[in-house]
Formats: sequence, C-alpha cells, structure tokens
Amino acid sequence: DTAVSQTPKYLVTQMGNDKSIKCEQNLGHDTMYWYKQDSKKFLKIMFSYNNKELIINETVPNRFSPKSPDKAHLNLHINSLELGDSAVYFCASSQGDWKETQYFGPGTRLLVL
Amino acid sequence: TQLLEQSPQFLSIQEGENLTVYCNSSSVFSSLQWYRQEPGEGPVLLVTVVTGGEVKKLKRLTFQFGDARKDSSLHITAAQPGDTGLYLCAGASGTSYGKLTFGQGTILTVHP
Repeated sequence: DTAVSQTPKYLVTQMGNDKSIKCEQNLGHDTMYWYKQDSKKFLKIMFSYNNKELIINETVPNRFSPKSPDKAHLNLHINSLELGDSAVYFCASSQGDWKETQYFGPGTRLLVL
Repeated sequence: TQLLEQSPQFLSIQEGENLTVYCNSSSVFSSLQWYRQEPGEGPVLLVTVVTGGEVKKLKRLTFQFGDARKDSSLHITAAQPGDTGLYLCAGASGTSYGKLTFGQGTILTVHP
C-alpha cells in the first residue's frame, strides 16, 4: 500500500518540451508539497497546497505550475523545460502544518537533454 | 532567509565506530527534524525535536536539540553498514505553514 506515489519515476526529455509529474497520496492528508533535490542532494521546497489552496510558492519560475484537483492529488506541470530543471522532484504530504510529519514519495528523476 | 548548515558533508567510517552529524543555524526553529534517505527513495522521518535541550533516542541514534533551538546533532553509536545513507536535518518555523528548510545533507558510508 503506497502512501505517496508519483508518476513517472523517470523522465527524460528534450529542452523546450512541456511535461507533467503526477502525485497521489492515500493517507487522507490535507497538505501536499513539491520539493526539488539537486545533484548535490540539496532539498528545497517549491510549493505547498492545503485543502487544494496554494500556501507556499518559493520563488519558483512561472514555468512551473502546480495543480491540485482534489486533496489527494498534486500535479506539477513544467513548461519549456531547461537544462537546469534536471533534478529529482519529490512530492510529500502531511496532515496539517509544520508540526506534523511529512511523508515523501519515491521521487521523479527528470533529465533534460 | 533561514539557513541550516549541516556538517560534515561526507562521512566514511568502519563498522563499530561512533559518529556525530551537526546541524547549525543562526535562526530559531520551532522544531527540528532528522530524515534518512536511501538511494532511489524519498526521505523518511527519523525524529522530530521541539523543545530546547531535548534529547531523543532511537536505538543507537541519539538526537539533541540545542537549548536555543538553533542547532541539533545526530549521534550514532556503533555504526552498522545498514546505517549507510543520506541524513538530512530540516527546520520548521511556526510562521511558515508547512515549510521545512533542509540542510545540505550528510552522506554516511559505513564499511563492513
């Protein structure tokens, strides 16, 4: 029973393309997140949604657009992909705010050529 | 901007040795979390410390939160090869809903 799942696990694409990453959680949590982990393993928050509303938007280029169709899903669409977008993208969820445990998905490894 | 300095960045030791990983900041955090991440997986929470001076033990792992809630340490006693992985500290601020600030991580390798 996967708690937080992401698809695809691997994504290889050309510069300039548009791609989407999907995330689903079956934990009944009301808060979901997108993180980016660079090649040096540094993990940085990108977005956070609480009950389908955007809570955190961390100076991410507007080529990145999250979308939360319901509390269990938070998708990430990326337009006009650039080389620097290559990274591992993690989705996470929690019940409530910063005091609560965040559960991470397995990650999506994006490589832009 | 809150920053967390984690050290060392790399640690390679023999089985049975002890080690300590440090996480320091000039900012005060409401809580400090430690995660472990294995290759190809997402981070998994090990512990959360919320009170200044708090010490928590998880088998051979001891976590401490500084009195001023600006720093934390993770101490592993008698390390085992199964402890190998990326260890991440993350600070949470009560003013930023759900936002975790992560340290740069420590890659630990324990050789048999």
